[in-house]
Formats: sequence, C-alpha cells, structure tokens
Amino acid sequence: QKEVEQNSGPLSVPEGAIASLNCTYSDRVSQSFFWYRQYSGKSPELIMSIYSNGDKEDGRFTAQLNKASQYVSLLIRDSQPSDSATYLCAVSSFRSASKIIFGSGTRLSIRP
Amino acid sequence: KAGVTQTPRYLIKTRGQQVTLSCSPISGHRSVSWYQQTPGQGLQFLFEYFSETQRNKGNFPGRFSGRQFSNSRSEMNVSTLELGDSALYLCASSLGVLAGDSPDTQYFGPGTRLTVL
Repeated sequence: QKEVEQNSGPLSVPEGAIASLNCTYSDRVSQSFFWYRQYSGKSPELIMSIYSNGDKEDGRFTAQLNKASQYVSLLIRDSQPSDSATYLCAVSSFRSASKIIFGSGTRLSIRP
Repeated sequence: KAGVTQTPRYLIKTRGQQVTLSCSPISGHRSVSWYQQTPGQGLQFLFEYFSETQRNKGNFPGRFSGRQFSNSRSEMNVSTLELGDSALYLCASSLGVLAGDSPDTQYFGPGTRLTVL
C-alpha cells in the first residue's frame, strides 16, 4: 500500500465548475498536510497547508482534512483554464516539514 | 525575498561518472530537502539537512549523498551514475522549525534536470 494515494486522473472539469481532488494516507500519526500544484516542466508550488481537522479556505481553494478517515481533499471553486496542472498531495509525520511524502499526483484539466 | 536557486539547471553525464548539484535556500531557511522526480516513481524524498546535519533520510542507496554548509547552502552528490538516475532533482527549503500556528512549509527550487547516457 502506498503511503499517500491519489487518483492519477486526468480529471476533466468544465470552466467555472468546482474541481475536487482527493488524497488518502496510511500513516495515522501524520500531522501536516500540503497541496502543491505543478505545471508541466516546472517545480511544485505550494497552494495550501493544513494540520487541523476541518476546512481551511484561501481564495478559490479549500482544503479539507479528516484525520479519522485519513483523508484530505482540495476543492477549487470557479475553475479556470490556468488551474490545469498536476496537483500533489503531501504528508508529513511532523509539524516540521522535514521528510514529506508525496502522492503521485492528480492531473487536472479545465475545459473551456 | 529571493527564492530557492539550483545549479546547474541541466546536466548530461555518462554512466559511471559522478555529479554534484547545488542548492541555495531562501534567506533565513535552515532546512534543505532533496527529492528525485521521475515519471514512473513520482517525487521521492532523498534526505533533509538542518543546521549542517542530516536530519532525515529516504530509501536511496549510498551512492546518493549530501551535505550542508554553515550558510545553509546544500550540495547533493551522486556517484557511479546509472541510467536510472536520470531525473529531475529538486531541492526545497524551509525554516525547519515551527513558527506560529502553521506547519513548517517547504518551497521548491526550479530543479536540475540530469540525463545519464
């Protein structure tokens, strides 16, 4: 079993709709959770971090964490073509960011 | 504030050679982590350095090594290169300690694309 699992996609969403990206993790002691966006040929860039159960909102992005279900998700509202990228879920067993384990990523495509 | 920088951006080597990659973290960041990214394996953690000490290590062979200097700059070395070492090597920097109410967060450099022939 992979430590961090994501559906590889591609996930196709119409422009203006809500894109929902999901991630599950296997280590129950995981404490910090991150979502990164990676455009083709570029390095990952941080979108959001979360470590408390519940929702965290930042602009069009909402991260949701459920530690009991070992599940974290990212919602993108009002999806734009520029949101088309690979989204990486990352998990750390520490409050510190050291030794982050990444999922394999979900490719998101926003169709005009 | 300047971001994470990595040099060189591209490298071509042959099997059996060795290579050294460099990473300069964001000013004030003391932690540098290294990752290997390949299409088949995704992003895999190599190791993390904090205050010149290796603090965490992934599951890579001993051919992969690193070090960190007193100014937090870090180098990664791969000896006896194999074809499978062809990848994008990313470094990421963070404060390395908790600050306030948020998790410590890593910021990535542009990467070094290594091709082994």
